[in-house]
Amino acid sequence: EAGVAQSPRYKIIEKRQSVAFWCNPISGHATLYWYQQILGQGPKLLIQFQNNGVVDDSQLPKDRFSAERLKGVDSTLKIQPAKLEDSAVYLCASSLHGWLAEMQETQYFGPGTRLLVL
Amino acid sequence: ELKVEQNPLFLSMQEGKNYTIYCNYSTTSDRLYWYRQDPGKSLESLFVLLSNGAVKQEGRLMASLDTKARLSTLHITAAVHDLSATYFCAVERNTPLVFGKGTRLSVIA
Repeated sequence: EAGVAQSPRYKIIEKRQSVAFWCNPISGHATLYWYQQILGQGPKLLIQFQNNGVVDDSQLPKDRFSAERLKGVDSTLKIQPAKLEDSAVYLCASSLHGWLAEMQETQYFGPGTRLLVL
Repeated sequence: ELKVEQNPLFLSMQEGKNYTIYCNYSTTSDRLYWYRQDPGKSLESLFVLLSNGAVKQEGRLMASLDTKARLSTLHITAAVHDLSATYFCAVERNTPLVFGKGTRLSVIA
């Protein structure tokens, strides 16, 4: 079974530029998550999709970050304009049903996109 | 607000020794997860703990959950170099996962 795919793996931009990340979840997984992991910290959830609807985006800085999952499969996360403090690894994860499910549920993480803002 | 604290944050162990990593959380939880992350790599799921007293073991790692104390432990038995990584616990309680800061484990000869 193919895992969660992300691209690009690395990106270097200057502050105030724009950047976009792409994620393809595990086939059949309804729930998709974007996390931000700053060096030395645990991942922090930015946004969660259930199919193509947003379940939770309470920690997404909406003045500069946006995300979409138009057909309920792939997703893109955009930062416009980027700030120095956005330097981090952006992880995409997917799960079969999501945290609302009653059954045991594990999130499977992609390799991440490492962003450096100069 | 759910908060998750791990300790220690850094751990250097000799091969063959035993040690325990602790994960405390601030409110009752539905599920607790342990993940492993190798440098430059993504997170790999190790254990999911659902109920009080749950214990799971895989190789040299054993995880347990005490929901009354709001505490999970990850016990390492007879450490080997391959266990060097960062270990995260993450807790779920009617919210998406909240991660601890991680414990960076280094196993030395």
